[in-house]
Amino acid sequence: DVVMTQSPLSLPVTLGQPASISCRSSQGLVHSDGNTYLSWFQQRPGQSPRRLIYKVSNRDSGVPDRFSGSGSGTDFTLKISRVEADDVGVYYCMQNTHWPRTFGQGTKVEIK
Amino acid sequence: EVQLVQSGGGLVQPGGSLRLSCAASGFTFSNYWMQWVRQGPGKGLMWVSNINTDGSSASYADSVKGRLTISRDNAKNTLYLQMDSLRPEDTALYYCASATNSAFDIWGQGTMVTVSS
Repeated sequence: DVVMTQSPLSLPVTLGQPASISCRSSQGLVHSDGNTYLSWFQQRPGQSPRRLIYKVSNRDSGVPDRFSGSGSGTDFTLKISRVEADDVGVYYCMQNTHWPRTFGQGTKVEIK
Repeated sequence: EVQLVQSGGGLVQPGGSLRLSCAASGFTFSNYWMQWVRQGPGKGLMWVSNINTDGSSASYADSVKGRLTISRDNAKNTLYLQMDSLRPEDTALYYCASATNSAFDIWGQGTMVTVSS
């Protein structure tokens, strides 16, 4: 199985400051169709997850442009340009290139 | 309103069975791959299973293969997860969700399954 490793696992941030989460995969995530299927999810406390980013850098509908995804191969990053109180929660990367699909361990974002 | 409404969770003894349902509305359900994702108490997300648009193809995590079965009824706009031979380690909050590689993402509210004697 492809192992997804996130860092850090805990991320205290100051309101208005940027934040960055890293996700590394144990295998390359380029699909045979040429696409890289790496997604990012946000799970606010007590809520269902929601996807923020798909195919490395594409924002889902309604996702603020403060969120951006980047990366290639085995190294990927989620960036929040200016953290807001609403961003508190756990963030997960997920690969859907290989079977079985696998998630990272999650990164807990909290306000300092 | 675009939504997925889940039902069917509960308490079951080890070795028992449950069927989870996920009713879709507000979008063309038959156009989308769907999935089940679970979250153990205090734990992270774990992918469980995917199914294609017409239900002819499904994939599973190794830990559930042969015990959990995903299916869908496009006429009823409903996704299912049949859970047999349940184990304590299957205890989790189960989410149904779309499984797309396009700008469409929707999740159910989650349903709790507790496997305990």
